[in-house]
Amino acid sequence: KQEVTQIPAALSVPEGENLVLNCSFTDSAIYNLQWFRQDPGKGLTSLLLIQSSQREQTSGRLNASLDKSSGRSTLYIAASQPGDSATYLCAVRPWNTGNQFYFGTGTSLTVIP
Amino acid sequence: EAGVTQFPSHSVIEKGQTVTLRCDPISGHDNLYWYRRVMGKEIKFLLHFVKESKQDESGMPNNRFLAERTGGTYSTLKVQPAELEDSGVYFCASSPELAGPDTQYFGPGTRLTVL
Repeated sequence: KQEVTQIPAALSVPEGENLVLNCSFTDSAIYNLQWFRQDPGKGLTSLLLIQSSQREQTSGRLNASLDKSSGRSTLYIAASQPGDSATYLCAVRPWNTGNQFYFGTGTSLTVIP
Repeated sequence: EAGVTQFPSHSVIEKGQTVTLRCDPISGHDNLYWYRRVMGKEIKFLLHFVKESKQDESGMPNNRFLAERTGGTYSTLKVQPAELEDSGVYFCASSPELAGPDTQYFGPGTRLTVL
């Protein structure tokens, strides 16, 4: 059974710092991995989607990497801003479970002005 | 374009009562998903509708949960009778027919508290 873990559970950084969020998964037979952002009282918004054949994806100040063989992904946020404060979740879609995502518990990020 | 909406935003009920959650997907989206997050745990898949048909209901925890999507538009998730462990946030997501499962638009969730 796929298990997804995110460390740390919470992170507080001063504005302008670069930071890395970690995601690990137990079964490397995945179709893809996706990073989401959730703001309080809002739904999840997809940030980056990495297919299993890819190593990384970039969007603006965000860069996500995927090492499928070791079961790890990182989300790198450059030059953090207070508006980046949110909960970040990673989710994997395994090959053998249809359309299901398996989510991690998330990292709550606070960027201090 | 309106996003996915869920009603109510918050529900507080007593153990043993019945609660019905509603999800209105983005207009024209054939795929509709239900997820829930219980306190301190990860978001878990409950089920997937394609139009009015249940495509995958493998995540439904037990027969106290009943999901419907009559007419292929909005969906309801009924919990009867509610138990304490049902407390959590219930999310709905939708996607267009041809978009595949990776492009899901999530609603803000319904926070259910069972006392």
